[in-house]
Amino acid sequence: GESVGLHLPTLSVQEGDNSIINCAYSNSASDYFIWYKQESGKGPQFIIDIRSNMDKRQGQRVTVLLNKTVKHLSLQIAATQPGDSAVYFCAENAGGTSYGKLTFGQGTILTVHP
Amino acid sequence: DTEVTQTPKHLVMGMTNKKSLKCEQHMGHRAMYWYKQKAKKPPELMFVYSYEKLSINESVPSRFSPECPNSSLLNLHLHALQPEDSALYLCASSQAVTGLYGYTFGSGTRLTVV
Repeated sequence: GESVGLHLPTLSVQEGDNSIINCAYSNSASDYFIWYKQESGKGPQFIIDIRSNMDKRQGQRVTVLLNKTVKHLSLQIAATQPGDSAVYFCAENAGGTSYGKLTFGQGTILTVHP
Repeated sequence: DTEVTQTPKHLVMGMTNKKSLKCEQHMGHRAMYWYKQKAKKPPELMFVYSYEKLSINESVPSRFSPECPNSSLLNLHLHALQPEDSALYLCASSQAVTGLYGYTFGSGTRLTVV
């Protein structure tokens, strides 16, 4: 299940399940969004991105959905594998005079059980 | 070469020491970034360099001094740090200074201030 509190939200799933990780972003002017995976001791690794003129984008086993009305992003991972266990961050590029500035969401810990 | 390389991977320094973190990319990217990441937190932007010039400083204390000697190299000079500055320091680069074609992150330098 999913929990939110003083700690990072966590999501535990069984291998083979589909996972959905959610993210609320803050800046209505943001026009570019990225999902990153971060494993322990490593830097963020690009998963998939989406621009504000789209509401859905698919990659290999991953889909990102963007709802600009409620400023919400989600990452769907199909057939989740133990190697998908990591912390997942959404990030937004604010655009405008803050071009280049990438702001990260708080992150979600995904644990995949064999 | 499609990587951002950071050195050293680990650094332990005393509060009176002066040290430097190094970041290098050979992808021809025109913007480079320093992020700080505390445990179980998202990366937080510190500095942005666009075309080798400092374009964003997120009110970082002067004990952190960035330098961009050329388009491939980014340094972070450290002096008189505090134990609370212990963190993972991440470097990133982007092809466009807007960041709208994505960012590449290094694996980080794990800094411990004693």
